[in-house]
Amino acid sequence: DAGVTQSPTHLIKTRGQQVTLRCSPKSGHDTVSWYQQALGQGPQFIFQYYEEEERQRGNFPDRFSGHQFPNYSSELNVNALLLGDSALYLCASSATARGETQYFGPGTRLLVL
Amino acid sequence: GQSLEQPSEVTAVEGAIVQINCTYQTSGFYGLSWYQQHDGGAPTFLSYNALDGLEETGRFSSFLSRSDSYGYLLLQELQMKDSASYFCAVRPPSFQKLVFGTGTRLLVSP
Repeated sequence: DAGVTQSPTHLIKTRGQQVTLRCSPKSGHDTVSWYQQALGQGPQFIFQYYEEEERQRGNFPDRFSGHQFPNYSSELNVNALLLGDSALYLCASSATARGETQYFGPGTRLLVL
Repeated sequence: GQSLEQPSEVTAVEGAIVQINCTYQTSGFYGLSWYQQHDGGAPTFLSYNALDGLEETGRFSSFLSRSDSYGYLLLQELQMKDSASYFCAVRPPSFQKLVFGTGTRLLVSP
């Protein structure tokens, strides 16, 4: 049983560029949440997708957008990258929208130069 | 809003017992979760307390007291591989997100 997978594992971009990160949830899971984790800090909630719709959103600007596909996989897009967007981006999946037990993927480490 | 505070770092030796505390200020939540994260890795779910009291899972136990706004993770028979960061987290009512604590870095020495 494959767990949560994310791609790519590492990414280097320059300021102003755009990036797309991808996530495939654990088998049987239909809800995908995205988190940003800066070095030495806890993960911060970006948004959650369920039934192909953004259900809830954290305190992140509109430069952060996403999508969920019919197979429950998801993408996170970040436009007009800033140096401060450098972080580990984590995808978490869960079986329902309750979210108590979320299973995290290995993350994508984004470096913005 | 929600605020969860943890000690920044805890050190212990192999075979010992260590307790990682989590104190919080929140208007309400659906239980307290604990996650382990090794350097460069993903957070891994360890334990969940929906109700007050102690939950035991192997070498790990977790405790919650809503009246004291306090919880802890207890790690017994420490092993070198337990060196990692540990986060407490809650899900606020009417929200589907997890709010994570500040994190505790556990260093286990021989």
